[in-house]
Amino acid sequence: GENVEQHPSTLSVQEGDSAVIKCTYSDSASNYFPWYKQELGKGPQLIIDIRSNVGEKKDQRIAVTLNKTAKHFSLHITETQPEDSAVYFCAASPNDMRFGAGTRLTVKP
Amino acid sequence: EAGVAQSPRYKIIEKRQSVAFWCNPISGHATLYWYQQILGQGPKLLIQFQNNGVVDDSQLPKDRFSAERLKGVDSTLKIQPAKLEDSAVYLCASSLAGTSGSYEQYFGPGTRLTVT
Repeated sequence: GENVEQHPSTLSVQEGDSAVIKCTYSDSASNYFPWYKQELGKGPQLIIDIRSNVGEKKDQRIAVTLNKTAKHFSLHITETQPEDSAVYFCAASPNDMRFGAGTRLTVKP
Repeated sequence: EAGVAQSPRYKIIEKRQSVAFWCNPISGHATLYWYQQILGQGPKLLIQFQNNGVVDDSQLPKDRFSAERLKGVDSTLKIQPAKLEDSAVYLCASSLAGTSGSYEQYFGPGTRLTVT
């Protein structure tokens, strides 16, 4: 089955800096790659996703890139703000969704 | 649009007791998922329903876990008897359609279960 690895496990940045989180997947049949943000005591919230026929997608300060050949995809957050502090999960889906272990992002004011 | 509703939000039980969780998906969403999220880990799929039929329950510990989605709307997940390692957040998610997992999934707030 699909195996998703996510790095780093923790990331601390200064407000205004950029943050990058990287994930690799194992199943070449995976065709859907969402990113979720989870705040304390809440369920994961979908923030951006990308499908395998696209290499890059951007939505305001967040962007996702996908390299199908290398089987990795990344989340980029620019101009980080304290409210971006949360745990971020990547996932990959050939059929059932497999999640990475999460990255705890801290944005220091 | 109302989101995915779950109850209860918190539950504390002793090992060997039973517990049930309830989920009401977003209106019109045909697919419903139950995930288990252990502290410090990503969600792990337990079971997926398409309408009232099971699509995938390969990771559901069927000796103690059961789930149903009567009438293709609400769903309940039951654990009987509970073990200490079942302590986790149980998340329900729904998506508009499709069995391939390639449709956007929207999560509820989860039920935090503590087994003592």
